[in-house]
Amino acid sequence: QVQLVQSGAEVKKPGASVKVSCKSSGYTFTSYAMHWVRQAPGQRLEWMGWINADNGNTKYSQKFQGRVTITRDTSASTAYMELSSLRSEDTAIYYCARVEVVAATYWGQGTLVTVSS
Amino acid sequence: DIQLTQSPSSLSASVGDRVTITCRASQSISSYLNWYQQKPGKAPKLLIYAASSLQSGVPSRFSGSGSGTDFTLTISSLQPADFATYYCQQSYNTPLTFGQGTKVEIK
Repeated sequence: QVQLVQSGAEVKKPGASVKVSCKSSGYTFTSYAMHWVRQAPGQRLEWMGWINADNGNTKYSQKFQGRVTITRDTSASTAYMELSSLRSEDTAIYYCARVEVVAATYWGQGTLVTVSS
Repeated sequence: DIQLTQSPSSLSASVGDRVTITCRASQSISSYLNWYQQKPGKAPKLLIYAASSLQSGVPSRFSGSGSGTDFTLTISSLQPADFATYYCQQSYNTPLTFGQGTKVEIK
């Protein structure tokens, strides 16, 4: 069965970077795009960007351009999302999600990133 | 960016009630509209994609309709498992955007 398993919770200081991993299993990793979505406490879901797992092409939300980098390791069937220059407003749960054509059909369990001095 | 506005933001309903949630887009998005259900502490779950297509494994009491700018999610007979927050999401263009959510609570 399809599974997306994310890395564990992180606590970071303002100005630091965080890298979250998303390990896929149960399907051919390079056949689907992987998106990253975050949810701050009590807020709506917010799309950050996506990666074509086959060729590595990426597209990012303008809001995060310059601070976010999405990569993948096809040999490990794993996607990564790195967010730099962290601030308190980046405290959120970060999700990876496999997208099939138009919608996110499978989601990781989420990774809580807390930014606090 | 395409803005999605859901209404209501919250509602109270009883088991067996028919529930309707609407989502309005700031511009036409054809049928590129998805609906997700999210329970506390859990990742979102896809219910409806492309405005009206039921995702595999989702109960048939869920249905979606609409195109252009106005969309509806309907739960025909609310069940205890349906108390959750519902989000619409557009996949017409990037940045993908979500509605603010509709919390369905027990009356």
